[in-house]
Amino acid sequence: GNSVTQMEGPVTLSEEAFLTINCTYTATGYPSLFWYVQYPGEGLQLLLKATKADDKGSNKGFEATYRKETTSFHLEKGSVQVSDSAVYFCALLNTNAGKSTFGDGTTLTVKP
Amino acid sequence: GAGVSQSPSNKVTEKGKDVELRCDPISGHTALYWYRQSLGQGLEFLIYFQGNSAPDKSGLPSDRFSAERTGGSVSTLTIQRTQQEDSAVYLCASSLVLAGHNEQFFGPGTRLTVL
Repeated sequence: GNSVTQMEGPVTLSEEAFLTINCTYTATGYPSLFWYVQYPGEGLQLLLKATKADDKGSNKGFEATYRKETTSFHLEKGSVQVSDSAVYFCALLNTNAGKSTFGDGTTLTVKP
Repeated sequence: GAGVSQSPSNKVTEKGKDVELRCDPISGHTALYWYRQSLGQGLEFLIYFQGNSAPDKSGLPSDRFSAERTGGSVSTLTIQRTQQEDSAVYLCASSLVLAGHNEQFFGPGTRLTVL
């Protein structure tokens, strides 16, 4: 079956530090890959996505590249801000299967 | 409205009571998902509806849990004889089923507390 494994947290960084949150997956076929973010007290929202190999999703300074050869979709940001403090979820959707699979989430805290 | 809505936003109930949680998806979204998020935990898949197909109920934790989707739109998640371990935030999401446009849009959730 499908699975998503993401970097365990919590992750604590200083403002302007470089961020990487690792995500690897197991899936049949050609899934779409997503990063969702949940800010404190808010619902989940899509951060970025990639639908095929070598696609790069980007939004709000965050980037992730769909690497089929390493089955990875690592999230990166060059300079984090306090406002980036949130829980980040990696997810995949195998269109043929319908339902999506989420990682366990990684809590990021950015300190000023 | 423009987004996914859920009601109630908060529900406190006594152990053994039945509860119903409602989800209104985005108009035109044929796929609808229910998840459960316990405190500090990830998302636990519960059930998935797609159009007129039989729902994927593989994530429902017990036969106390059931869900229906009427007219391909509104969905209701029912928990019978609630237990304290059912306390969690129940999230609903909807999406198109269209290559390249299948990201899920989440509602704000219903926080269920079973006393």
